Amino acid sequence: KQEVTQIPAALSVPEGENLVLNCSFTDSAIYNLQWFRQDPGKGLTSLLLIQSSQREQTSGRLNASLDKSSGRSTLYIAASQPGDSATYLCAVLMDSSYKLIFGSGTRLLVRP
Amino acid sequence: DAGVTQSPTHLIKTRGQQVTLRCSPKSGHDTVSWYQQALGQGPQFIFQYYEEEERQRGNFPDRFSGHQFPNYSSELNVNALLLGDSALYLCASSYAGEGYTFGSGTRLTVV
Repeated sequence: KQEVTQIPAALSVPEGENLVLNCSFTDSAIYNLQWFRQDPGKGLTSLLLIQSSQREQTSGRLNASLDKSSGRSTLYIAASQPGDSATYLCAVLMDSSYKLIFGSGTRLLVRP
Repeated sequence: DAGVTQSPTHLIKTRGQQVTLRCSPKSGHDTVSWYQQALGQGPQFIFQYYEEEERQRGNFPDRFSGHQFPNYSSELNVNALLLGDSALYLCASSYAGEGYTFGSGTRLTVV
């Protein structure tokens, strides 16, 4: 059974810092992995999608990497801003399934 | 280009009642999935509809049912509401293995 874990559960950093959010999964037979952002009480906004054959994806200040063999993905946020404060969720889609399996998220606070 | 649209945004129901939530997928998407998110948790998969059929179902009781219409829009129905059904219900649409696009959700409160 696939399990997705995100560490840390919460993170508080001063504005301007570069930071890394971690996501690990137990079964490497994934089809893709997606990172989302969620503001309090709101829906999910897709940030980056990495197919299983890819190693990384970049969008602006965000960079996500994927290492299937070790069951890990990282989301790198450069030059963090207070507007980046949100919960970040990673989700995997398995080869044999149509459902996304989510971690519990990392709650990020960027202090001005 | 409109994204995923969900209605209503908020809903309060009494225990034992029935509720219907609605979702219009992103333009060009033909697959709709529903998720339940409890406070402080990641979303949990309820089911997915494709070509008007339930393609896959998560670990939710039969009280949760759905429908997909020919225009790809979808409904989630929950019967005999329990207090534990209070959550944020998220709809996601997709097309051919591309990433999922989520709506803003419906906040359901059961009292």
